[in-house]
Amino acid sequence: GAVVSQHPSWVICKSGTSVKIECRSLDFQATTMFWYRQFPKQSLMLMATSNEGSKATYEQGVEKDKFLINHASLTLSTLTVTSAHPEDSSFYICSAREGWEQYFGPGTRLTVT
Amino acid sequence: AQSVTQLDSQVPVFEEAPVELRCNYSSSVSVYLFWYVQYPNQGLQLLLKYLSGSTLVKGINGFEAEFNKSQTSFHLRKPSVHISDTAEYFCAVIPQTGANNLFFGTGTRLTVIP
Repeated sequence: GAVVSQHPSWVICKSGTSVKIECRSLDFQATTMFWYRQFPKQSLMLMATSNEGSKATYEQGVEKDKFLINHASLTLSTLTVTSAHPEDSSFYICSAREGWEQYFGPGTRLTVT
Repeated sequence: AQSVTQLDSQVPVFEEAPVELRCNYSSSVSVYLFWYVQYPNQGLQLLLKYLSGSTLVKGINGFEAEFNKSQTSFHLRKPSVHISDTAEYFCAVIPQTGANNLFFGTGTRLTVIP
């Protein structure tokens, strides 16, 4: 099946710094990618829909100036957490859509100290 | 609007016993249905999906699910579980028209007891 990678798999950063997470579809082109956030023992919360060549669509309550999404090519979307704070610590998962299916990356564990 | 309900947040079951994880959904339009499995600190892996055709679908790792339109359910079953099946299971739907993202249930933690 299709493969989606994320990098890094985990990152620790200091409060106030910015962190970039990459999501790549390795063997298919994805015009649409999604970014999710998952808190411990909870379901995935959709943060935004990333469309290649256009602005991302953010879900209600998600700060677009804090969570910057760029979908510069058909195989790469990036999520930048700007001025990170401890409350941004979470597990971030991306997915890429092919047809009616979404393929998920392995996730990125972000810890802000 | 769509919503997915997984009534059982935790399901403990003994090894080699059968298991059923329940999923019900609500939608104003027709949907496609999915089950995903998540192992600790990993992303989601597709177990199976229903797009059309036979309402009984078989997936990986010996799992199967049956789509029941009248009951708006898509329960996941396995006749004999293994220790390695211990994981979090998510039911999800995507509308056939309109929104193009998955709507997830809250998940069911399956724990297989040796």
